[in-house]
Amino acid sequence: DVKVTQSSRYLVKRTGEKVFLECVQDMDHENMFWYRQDPGLGLRLIYFSYDVKMKEKGDIPEGYSVSREKKERFSLILESASTNQTSMYLCASQTPPINYGYTFGSGTRLTVV
Amino acid sequence: QQQVKQSPQSLIVQKGGISIINCAYENTAFDYFPWYQQFPGKGPALLIAIRPDVSEKKEGRFTISFNKSAKQFSLHIMDSQPGDSATYFCAAFSGSARQLTFGSGTQLTVLP
Repeated sequence: DVKVTQSSRYLVKRTGEKVFLECVQDMDHENMFWYRQDPGLGLRLIYFSYDVKMKEKGDIPEGYSVSREKKERFSLILESASTNQTSMYLCASQTPPINYGYTFGSGTRLTVV
Repeated sequence: QQQVKQSPQSLIVQKGGISIINCAYENTAFDYFPWYQQFPGKGPALLIAIRPDVSEKKEGRFTISFNKSAKQFSLHIMDSQPGDSATYFCAAFSGSARQLTFGSGTQLTVLP
């Protein structure tokens, strides 16, 4: 089975800090995604990547950036954390050949104080 | 813009009852309509999916009904069990955009 691992389960950061959320998948998948999950809003796409060093903006990229230096690792960066970025962050890997099949990590609950 | 609208936001069903969650979409270019199930503390996991040229798909107690003309689809959980208590997300997949668009989620509670 594909495994998507998010390095932190819970994080508490201060306003203005630079925050790194790490995600690693173990199946050499090309396509990876970062979502944030908020009650009543569902899963909203922040950024995605189809290959190493490649990134595309999703629906809500403002205040975020990403890095993909290796195929298995996709990092989400909050350049200057703000309280409205308090959320659950989910990383996913697209699982071929089922293009609509994503494997998600367990999530990182980020609180910005 | 919300391309997939999901209702209700929460649902409480007695054990053995039928749970029904509804979704509507706007973009006619979607290629697949999957449903994801999320338990507390876990990421969403693919549950079942349907193509737009099929009106119904059944897997065990879970059935997707699809109405292409109305741009609506729904998940039916027959004989609902407490273990089905989870958050359910409908989604729509665009092959051209290579992305999933998710609904807002439904928190299902099945009472014992």
